Amino acid sequence: DAKTTQPTSMDCAEGRAANLPCNHSTISGNEYVYWYRQIHSQGPQYIIHGLKNNETNEMASLIITEDRKSSTLILPHATLRDTAVYYCIGPEKSSGDKLTFGTGTRLAVRP
Amino acid sequence: EAGVVQSPRYKIIEKKQPVAFWCNPISGHNTLYWYLQNLGQGPELLIRYENEEAVDDSQLPKDRFSAERLKGVDSTLKIQPAELGDSAVYLCASSLALHPGLPGGEQFFGPGTRLTVL
Repeated sequence: DAKTTQPTSMDCAEGRAANLPCNHSTISGNEYVYWYRQIHSQGPQYIIHGLKNNETNEMASLIITEDRKSSTLILPHATLRDTAVYYCIGPEKSSGDKLTFGTGTRLAVRP
Repeated sequence: EAGVVQSPRYKIIEKKQPVAFWCNPISGHNTLYWYLQNLGQGPELLIRYENEEAVDDSQLPKDRFSAERLKGVDSTLKIQPAELGDSAVYLCASSLALHPGLPGGEQFFGPGTRLTVL
């Protein structure tokens, strides 16, 4: 089972930052946190992952708390095309590091 | 660079019929995954291959589902016979590295095959 919890849905205005939270209080010290998203009728798309430090790439930023019990995915300037389901995943080493997707957060970006 | 290719995109069959899905991963990706996704749920792993070896098939219902990746490239997933509850989207993904935390471990997904069993 997934070890992460996320809000079921969120919305934000186009052009504003979208901050998607995730709790992973049982994550182990050597387990990464991954974020994927799934736009309607498409396969999931990798966004970013991190272990301890904050990470940034061309798609998003990932802020991980010092105790690693939670993280926030930040889309700095959300567009309508960012409307999707966002999955926060914490693979369990005991299960061979497989990705266990939960139900994710449905983000709606409003014009 | 071509992404993960899956076919067919849509399939409608009657229950008890067989069905097969095909996947061509990104060139050079040794690891291949098959997922099942029910409506409103996240994808669930069915089987994971490292080259031609199935390294994790614990979630594959082996009474009716089978998969193969004979030459370590393309893969097929088969259901025989199909049941009404098999209606779902079947996703294929590939990655360079087996473990998601390693460089190249991010998974690239195909568009999926939407199966409807009547």
